[in-house]
Amino acid sequence: AQSVTQLGSHVSVSEGALVLLRCNYSSSVPPYLFWYVQYPNQGLQLLLKYTTGATLVKGINGFEAEFKKSETSFHLTKPSAHMSDAAEYFCALKISNFGNEKLTFGTGTRLTIIP
Amino acid sequence: EPEVTQTPSHQVTQMGQEVILRCVPISNHLYFYWYRQILGQKVEFLVSFYNNEISEKSEIFDDQFSVERPDGSNFTLKIRSTKLEDSAMYFCASSAPGLAGYNEQFFGPGTRLTVL
Repeated sequence: AQSVTQLGSHVSVSEGALVLLRCNYSSSVPPYLFWYVQYPNQGLQLLLKYTTGATLVKGINGFEAEFKKSETSFHLTKPSAHMSDAAEYFCALKISNFGNEKLTFGTGTRLTIIP
Repeated sequence: EPEVTQTPSHQVTQMGQEVILRCVPISNHLYFYWYRQILGQKVEFLVSFYNNEISEKSEIFDDQFSVERPDGSNFTLKIRSTKLEDSAMYFCASSAPGLAGYNEQFFGPGTRLTVL
């Protein structure tokens, strides 16, 4: 069965510093990979997704992620953290291209930005 | 901008009671989902629903759980006899038909269920 592992349940970075949130996956077939963000009292919002093609994926709010098949990783980065980035981030995957295929999530990483 | 809504935001119930969690998916979406997150744990898939029937369910989704789309706009999750371990945040999601694998699931803000 497929799985997602997020290293670090809590990450703190200074405002303006690099953000790096780690995600590794396990899948017997090529996965579709996603990062979602959850702000307090809001739903999960899609940040970016990897389906096929270019392995470096750009998303909203300046975030990007790189699919590395050899490392089974899909780490999320942002060059310069902003206070508004403080939220919980979830990595997720799908293993099928069926329209209603479920998402498999990691445990989430809470990002804190230090002023 | 269209969004998925869920009510209530927080539900407190006694063990053994029935609860119904309500969701209003985005209006032109055809696929519907429920996920849950027990505090400190992963977001877990419960069930997907399409064309008025369950498409897939997880092993968590036992006979105590049921889903329904009663009126073409609401999508509900019923827990018949709640247990302490049902305490969690429950997320509803919906998606539209699109290029296979590319359809984004849009999530609601969640309902926090507390079973006492």
